[in-house]
Amino acid sequence: EIVLTQSPDFQSVTPKEKVTITCRASQSIGSSLHWYQQKPDQSPKLLIKYASQSFSGVPSRFSGSGSGTDFTLTINSLEAEDAATYYCHQSSSLPITFGQGTRLEIK
Amino acid sequence: QVQLQESGPGLVKPSQTLSLTCTVSGGSISSGDYYWSWIRQPPGKGLEWIGYIYYSGSTYYNPSLKSRVTISVDTSKNQFSLKLSSVTAADTAVYYCARVSYCSSTSCSWGWFDPWGQGTLVTVSS
Repeated sequence: EIVLTQSPDFQSVTPKEKVTITCRASQSIGSSLHWYQQKPDQSPKLLIKYASQSFSGVPSRFSGSGSGTDFTLTINSLEAEDAATYYCHQSSSLPITFGQGTRLEIK
Repeated sequence: QVQLQESGPGLVKPSQTLSLTCTVSGGSISSGDYYWSWIRQPPGKGLEWIGYIYYSGSTYYNPSLKSRVTISVDTSKNQFSLKLSSVTAADTAVYYCARVSYCSSTSCSWGWFDPWGQGTLVTVSS
C-alpha cells in the first residue's frame, strides 16, 4: 500500500499569504496524484488532477506541481473562503489511498 | 451535469449489514469512461477508499474491508450500491459515492474522483 504523508497537519495563515502544502508518497507514483478541498460539512471537491492539471472552475490561485514521490499544492494570495482541509490522493495503484489531510485556518 | 446522491438507513445495529445506494443523475452509469466508487470518512478523521465498480460489474475492493464489502451496480436504475457486513462502531462514518475518471481519448487508467455525492452519515449503535 502506498502511504501519502502530508505536511503540515495544520496551518494558520493570514489572507493574501501564499500557502504551500506538501504530499510525499512512500514510493513513486508518477503524476497520479490529485488534490481536494473539503470544507466543514461538505463533500471533498477536486482542485488539481494529475499533479499539476487545473480542474474546471477552480480559481487560478490554486496550482500543483511535482512527480514521483514529492508533490506540492500552492495557494497564491489566500482568501478567507479557502479555510478548509486539503487532501491528496494517489490513483497509481490499488488500494487507493489519501493523505491524512492538512487543515488550513484563516486568521 | 452529473450528480450523485446517497441513500439508506442512518442507523445500523452492531453485527448487522450496512446497505447504501448511490443514484446517478444527469449522465449514464453505463459510460465506459468512468468507474464508480464508495469512500468513507469517520467523524473528524480522514478519507478511506472502500472500492470501485464498473458498469459491467467488475469490482475492486480495499483489502482492509474486502472480506465484508460487496459493491453492485444496477444499470437499469442508474444506481450502484454498497453492502458492508458485520458492522461495528468503527464503521460509523460519512459514506460518500463518487465518480472516477477512467478513460480519456488516448488511454485508460484510474484517475480522480469527481463529482462526489453529498455524503450520508451512518451510525453503528444498538
